[in-house]
Parts: sequence; C-alpha cells; structure tokens
Amino acid sequence: DVKVTQSSRYLVKRTGEKVFLECVQDMDHENMFWYRQDPGLGLRLIYFSYDVKMKEKGDIPEGYSVSREKKERFSLILESASTNQTSMYLCASGSAGGWRAFFGQGTRLTVV
Amino acid sequence: GIQVEQSPPDLILQEGANSTLRCNFSDSVNNLQWFHQNPWGQLINLFYIPSGTKQNGRLSATTVATERYSLLYISSSQTTDSGVYFCAALMQGAQKLVFGQGTRLTINP
Repeated sequence: DVKVTQSSRYLVKRTGEKVFLECVQDMDHENMFWYRQDPGLGLRLIYFSYDVKMKEKGDIPEGYSVSREKKERFSLILESASTNQTSMYLCASGSAGGWRAFFGQGTRLTVV
Repeated sequence: GIQVEQSPPDLILQEGANSTLRCNFSDSVNNLQWFHQNPWGQLINLFYIPSGTKQNGRLSATTVATERYSLLYISSSQTTDSGVYFCAALMQGAQKLVFGQGTRLTINP
C-alpha cells in the first residue's frame, strides 16, 4: 500500500515563527500536493509539485513556500506563522498520468 | 475552472440502511476520485473512477462522464462508515484535483 507520512500530527507554534511541515511518500510518485482544510471552506490547494525542484502555486499560496529537493519529500514552509494559518494541513501524492491521490494523516497546526 | 458540487451536504441514517451520494462536475473530466475522511482527519482513497462502475465490498461507484456526474453507493451502512465523503475531479490537461465540499454521513446504531 502507498504510504504518505506527515512529520507531525499536532503542532503548536507562536506567531512569527518559521514553520516546516514535512511530507514523505514511499511510492516514487511524481506529483505531490499540499492542501489546507478549514470548516466551511473545504480543501484548498496551496502548492503542488510534479517533479523534483519543480513547484506550482495552487489557489492560496500567499504566506507559504515549498521545497522539493528529493522525489519522496515535499516540505511546506510558513515563512512567518500567523493566527489565520491555524488549520488542518494535508499532504497528498500521486503518479503522473491517470493518477490516484493518496493522503497523509494530516497535521493540525495551531498558531498562537 | 471546473466546479464540483456534492449532494446532499448532510445525511443521517440508521445502521443497515443504504445511501447514495452524488457528485456533479461542470466540465469534462478524465479523473474522478472518491474519498472518505475518517474521524481522525485522514482522507482515504475509495475509488478512482473516471467512467463506468466499480465495486469494493459494500461500496460501489458509478461515473457517467457524458452527463457529468458520479454516484457513490453504500449498502448496509455501518457506524464505521460515518465521516465526510469527498469527490474530486481533474480536467484533461490540468494537474490539480478540485474537491467538492463533501457530504457528511452519520450512521446511528
């Protein structure tokens, strides 16, 4: 089975901190994605990557950046955390062409 | 971009009942997936079904691409089926899945 692992299940950070959320997949998938999920707003795409060192902005990239130095790892970076970035963050991966998306367990981030 | 709409938004059933969840999409798609979000927040991929019908145990899904909808059927519901069900679609040539708002299913014992 595909395994997508996010580094933390729960995280509490202070306003202004730089925050790293890590995601690792074990299926050699080309595509990787970061979503955030908020009540009433559904899942919104922050960034995605279709290859190493490649990245594309999603629908809500402001305040975030990403890094993909290795195929299996996709990191989401909050440059200066703010309280409105308190959310559930979900990482997903999928192979190129006709792919299924597989999600990690999610990270509940609270910024205080 | 493509719009994905799910109905109903909420569904409450007794254990043993059958249910049908609907997903409408506004444009032609070459990728349609169904997910179940469990109470701990993880999204589990149920089906990849751009067209046709698939079955997996008590769950089955049908996508009629020409009419731009997909249906998820759950038979003999169990309390463990509770959670939020999402469909997500991908337009041809696009690279990002667009999610619907979800259907919250509650199965009471």
